[in-house]
Order: sequence, then C-alpha cells, then structure tokens
Amino acid sequence: DQQVKQNSPSLSVQEGRISILNCDYTNSMFDYFLWYKKYPAEGPTFLISISSIKDKNEDGRFTVFLNKSAKHLSLHIVPSQPGDSAVYFCAARGTSYDKVIFGPGTSLSVIP
Amino acid sequence: GAGVSQTPSNKVTEKGKYVELRCDPISGHTALYWYRQSLGQGPEFLIYFQGTGAADDSGLPNDRFFAVRPEGSVSTLKIQRTERGDSAVYLCASAPTSASTDTQYFGPGTRLTVL
Repeated sequence: DQQVKQNSPSLSVQEGRISILNCDYTNSMFDYFLWYKKYPAEGPTFLISISSIKDKNEDGRFTVFLNKSAKHLSLHIVPSQPGDSAVYFCAARGTSYDKVIFGPGTSLSVIP
Repeated sequence: GAGVSQTPSNKVTEKGKYVELRCDPISGHTALYWYRQSLGQGPEFLIYFQGTGAADDSGLPNDRFFAVRPEGSVSTLKIQRTERGDSAVYLCASAPTSASTDTQYFGPGTRLTVL
C-alpha cells in the first residue's frame, strides 16, 4: 500500500505558465514533507520542504502548499521554464528519524 | 566540492552471482542511506547508517542483501545470489546528521542489471 501517492505520472505545461504537481499521503504520522527533482542519469536533488506546522513554504519560483486535513500537498512552479523539465518526487517522513517514503514521481515537461 | 559518488555506474551480472556496490558520501556526513529505484517508481528505502552502525535496516528485502560501513564513511551494499528481480538503480544518499530536517544528498546511482 503506497503511503505517498502522485497520481499524475506526467504533466505538460507551456513555458511561462504555472506548473502544479500534486501529492497525497495516507500516514497521519508524517510530519515533514519534501520535494526532490531528478534529471535523467542523475540522483534526485532536494528542491523544497515543508514542516507540518506550516501550510506554505516559498523559495523563489517554487512554493509548496500543505493541507493536513486533506493529507494533500502540492508544488507550484511559476513561471515554468524548460529547465524545470524533470521527474519530481514527493516524499515524507516522521518527526524523529524515520525513513523517507517517496512517491512514484511525476514527469514534468515544460514546452518552450 | 565533491558530492556523493557511487561506483560502478553500471553493473551487469548473471543470475546467481554476487555483487558489491560502493558509495562514497560527502565528507563529514554521518548519515548514509541506500535506496533502490525500479522503473517508474520512486526511491525505496533499504537501509540507513548513523556512523558505522545500521540504525534501520527494515527496508532490506531479504537476507541476500547486506550493507556495511566499517569506518563511518564509505559504504558497500552487497547482494548475494542475485536474481533478475534485483535489477534496478541503487541510490546512495548522505546527510550531515539524521535530523528530520536534514537534506539528503543523492549520488547518481548504480544501475544493476541481472541477466
């Protein structure tokens, strides 16, 4: 049973528009959420995170929103750029050290 | 600065053989993680080291998989009697500590193919 779900395997967006990547989780014990970005033949790289005590965290063009009651988070990229084309993984972990659980990823294509 | 490195980048082996995959973490990072990523899936946790000891090995699929980190730096993931289902990209990551807010830095992975 997947604890972190990304129901859209792929997403295409026009350059300059907003990209919205969604993530749902089932484990209410998750306390910290992360987004990773992965280019082909490279390891995932950390993008942005959010603690469960917040509902929004912003870093430049990237904003993560957390809705704890719905067990849902989303990553907004605005404006989208062709270099943003990659696979984006949503991940979650508990409060103290706990293993990070990754979703299956969403492949984003930003079309020039 | 050097990031996490993994060797080899690709490994092709025959069913039943033994393989070792190596991970060199970022210098000074005490936490080290191994993940396995199958096609179309996200990284799946295998094992976590804090220093030299395995703090959590609950993700190892069975006793054919074993990992060591004898000096608290380099780690080796060992797979005995490989099976075709072991084919995947094996990712290593390191972090300064195991604190939940720490970012994990991933290596490029080793692509293992079992024929």
